[in-house]
Amino acid sequence: EAGVAQSPRYKIIEKRQSVAFWCNPISGHATLYWYQQILGQGPKLLIQFQNNGVVDDSQLPKDRFSAERLKGVDSTLKIQPAKLEDSAVYLCASSLPVFPYEQYFGPGTRLTVT
Amino acid sequence: GENVEQHPSTLSVQEGDSAVIKCTYSDSASNYFPWYKQELGKRPQLIIDIRSNVGEKKDQRIAVTLNKTAKHFSLHITETQPEDSAVYFCAASSSSGYSTLTFGKGTMLLVSP
Repeated sequence: EAGVAQSPRYKIIEKRQSVAFWCNPISGHATLYWYQQILGQGPKLLIQFQNNGVVDDSQLPKDRFSAERLKGVDSTLKIQPAKLEDSAVYLCASSLPVFPYEQYFGPGTRLTVT
Repeated sequence: GENVEQHPSTLSVQEGDSAVIKCTYSDSASNYFPWYKQELGKRPQLIIDIRSNVGEKKDQRIAVTLNKTAKHFSLHITETQPEDSAVYFCAASSSSGYSTLTFGKGTMLLVSP
């Protein structure tokens, strides 16, 4: 079966610019996650969707980050304006909507903010 | 919220030795504990998981143990091979709500030939 797809794989922008990432989950996975992974750390959940509704965005910096999941399939994560500390790998994951919500990760987007 | 601590941060072993990585968690409601392996520049991949109704689970050279009373769980890799070299992450979640995963900071395992 096809895995979680993400694009772009790499992005370099200057601070204060905007950037958007795209994710296509595994077919049939109603739950979608965006994580931020800073070098040397574990993934940190930014936002979790169940279908097209947000169920957890407690760690999303809402003044600059936004995410949407129209039609309950693909999702986009946007940063506007970017800061230097946003440099990280942004991982998308998906799971079936039942416990234990076993998550499958995409390849990630490596963002460098200069 | 949940807090997961992972030790050690780096672990170097000789090929054929065993490796043990330990994690503790804070939320007594957590009942699902997956382990992910992440090779350099690649996505995290689930290698084994354990639920709170069992104390140990094995899959070939990999095993995970869980002590709910002490709130800690461990990953054991036997007969290590160079291809086991990677960063390993533990995580914990609860079946309540939407089972948000909280990850540890990772352990870099280096297996020398």
